[in-house]
Amino acid sequence: NAGVMQNPRHLVRRRGQEARLRCSPMKGHSHVYWYRQLPEEGLKFMVYLQKENIIDESGMPKERFSAEFPKEGPSILRIQQVVRGDSAAYFCASSPRQVAGGDEQYFGPGTRLTVT
Amino acid sequence: GENVEQHPSTLSVQEGDSAVIKCTYSDSASNYFPWYKQELGKGPQLIIDIRSNVGEKKDQRIAVTLNKTAKHFSLHITETQPEDSAVYFCAASMHYGQNFVFGPGTRLSVLP
Repeated sequence: NAGVMQNPRHLVRRRGQEARLRCSPMKGHSHVYWYRQLPEEGLKFMVYLQKENIIDESGMPKERFSAEFPKEGPSILRIQQVVRGDSAAYFCASSPRQVAGGDEQYFGPGTRLTVT
Repeated sequence: GENVEQHPSTLSVQEGDSAVIKCTYSDSASNYFPWYKQELGKGPQLIIDIRSNVGEKKDQRIAVTLNKTAKHFSLHITETQPEDSAVYFCAASMHYGQNFVFGPGTRLSVLP
C-alpha cells in the first residue's frame, strides 16, 4: 500500500509565477489536509478537503492561494503570483476518517518551494 | 482556538538514556494527541498517539501519557539510540476531522 505521494519534491519559482503542488492520498483515504512548514518551525494548517469539497480553509491566505480535490486525480494546492515569503515546505496528509477512530493523518514527503 | 506549547526545544541525551518531551494544550475539547517524528528532508511520521479516554499508551520503547485535568501530555523514549535523533512534534485536535494544531517541535540528539 503506497503512502501519501507528493510531487514535485522540489520546486523553484521566480517571483510572480504560479506554483502547483500535487498530492495523492493513501489508497482508500478520501480526506486530505495541507500544511505549511517554515524553516525551523512547526507545521501550520492550511486547508482540509474531501473529494470535490473544501471542508475547512481557515488556515489558508485569502488571496493567491487555492486548493482543490477533484473526483478524479490528486489534490492540488495552487499559489498564484508567488512571493519570497511563500518559500517553505508544503506537506499533504491523508486520513481514512472512518466512523470508529480514523483520526490519524499520514504525511507525504513534502514539496519544498523556493521562490527566487 | 487551540494553542499547543512544547518543551524543551532542544534535547541532547546519551545513547541508552531516556528522553522526555512535554506538551501542553489550551482547549479542553481536544481529545486526540498524536506524536510525529520528522527526519531531515522528510515528512512527519506518526509514531504514537493517544485519545482522551486513555491515560497512558506504550509501544516498545515509546510511551505517551496524558493528564486531561492539567491539559498536558508527554512523550517518553527509553533506551535511546542514535537513530532516534530527529525533530519530534506533538499535536492536538478535536474528534472527527479537525485539523491538527502542532507544537513548535523538539530537536532530539542522541549522542553515541
